[in-house]
Amino acid sequence: RKEVEQDPGPFNVPEGATVAFNCTYSNSASQSFFWYRQDCRKEPKLLMSVYSSGNEDGRFTAQLNRASQYISLLIRDSKLSDSATYLCVLFTGFQKLVFGTGTRLLVSP
Amino acid sequence: DTEVTQTPKHLVMGMTNKKSLKCEQHMGHRAMYWYKQKAKKPPELMFVYSYEKLSINESVPSRFSPECPNSSLLNLHLHALQPEDSALYLCASSRGQGAGEQYFGPGTRLTVT
Repeated sequence: RKEVEQDPGPFNVPEGATVAFNCTYSNSASQSFFWYRQDCRKEPKLLMSVYSSGNEDGRFTAQLNRASQYISLLIRDSKLSDSATYLCVLFTGFQKLVFGTGTRLLVSP
Repeated sequence: DTEVTQTPKHLVMGMTNKKSLKCEQHMGHRAMYWYKQKAKKPPELMFVYSYEKLSINESVPSRFSPECPNSSLLNLHLHALQPEDSALYLCASSRGQGAGEQYFGPGTRLTVT
């Protein structure tokens, strides 16, 4: 079983839509969690950390469910500029990041 | 300044060449990383430096040789590469090795011919 699993997509949504991605992880000792976004042929950029209590940053909401070992990202009022690959990332006890394969989002006019 | 810079942006090299990739950050971060990313795959960790000392080597072939001359600079020396080593090489930094928030440079797109 992969350490981090994501639906590769693509998720095709119209502008203004709400879209949600989930990510499951297998290592219950994972310490912290993040969403990164990566545009085509660009570097990954930290989007947000994910906290157990859930956290929001503008149109983006992240949730963590340790009991079920999944994290989620909700994007409200999608913009064309949200089109990217969203990487679910864990920070493990081995002091390194473990990346999911990413979920591709395409927002159309 | 939250920028990590990398040079060169693109590099084409033959299998007998020796070249170096360079990375620089001025955020005062004490951990620096090299990743390799193939198309449509996530980044794969290669090396981690913490306080200028190599702390993780993910069993990378010796044709890749990292160097950390000081806390702001990270190099990756390349020698006798194979065509399958063609990829995007990303440098990243973080406050410390225990920090999951990493800042990535734009990468060097390497082609080995």
